[in-house]
Amino acid sequence: SQTIHQWPATLVQPVGSPLSLECTVEGTSNPNLYWYRQAAGRGLQLLFYSVGIGQISSEVPQNLSASRPQDRQFILSSKKLLLSDSGFYLCAWSKAGANYGYTFGSGTRLTVV
Amino acid sequence: SQQGEEDPQALSIQEGENATMNCSYKTSINNLQWYRQNSGRGLVHLILIRSNEREKHSGRLRVTLDTSKKSSSLLITASRAADTASYFCATDASGGFKTIFGAGTRLFVKA
Repeated sequence: SQTIHQWPATLVQPVGSPLSLECTVEGTSNPNLYWYRQAAGRGLQLLFYSVGIGQISSEVPQNLSASRPQDRQFILSSKKLLLSDSGFYLCAWSKAGANYGYTFGSGTRLTVV
Repeated sequence: SQQGEEDPQALSIQEGENATMNCSYKTSINNLQWYRQNSGRGLVHLILIRSNEREKHSGRLRVTLDTSKKSSSLLITASRAADTASYFCATDASGGFKTIFGAGTRLFVKA
């Protein structure tokens, strides 16, 4: 069966520090991968999606970047965090070629102080 | 702009009652999905309804889709305290590569 792992669960980082959040998927190959951010009490904002290794599409201009070094690994990064980067970050995957729904990771609560 | 907009934003009901949440969207879609999110957790996929379907059932869940009105509803029958969560609708906006989520309905079921 397919599983998705996202870590860490919580993170407190100072302004100006770097960020690296990792997401890995098991039990499937060539998934579509996604990073979403959720502000408190709000919906999800799509940040990045990837349909293959090295292929990253950015949805909003921001202080963050994403990379997909391996088929089932998706990384969200920042060189210098801003206060406004605080939020709940969710990784998700879906089958390539058709949208049957997303499977989400458990999320990372990032607080920039 | 968000594709899906849920209504109401918050809903409080007694255990055993039915809960109905609505979703409106703006453009043509391939499918519409409903997700559930417990506080501080990831989203869980509940049900997907395709644009050529009008109604779908899954256990205590019933989803309807009216493409002429660009709207969908999620009905939870015989609600339980464990149904307390936020519920999001999401639409397939662009060939299946991206899904756009609404702001969600927060459901509180009182025991």
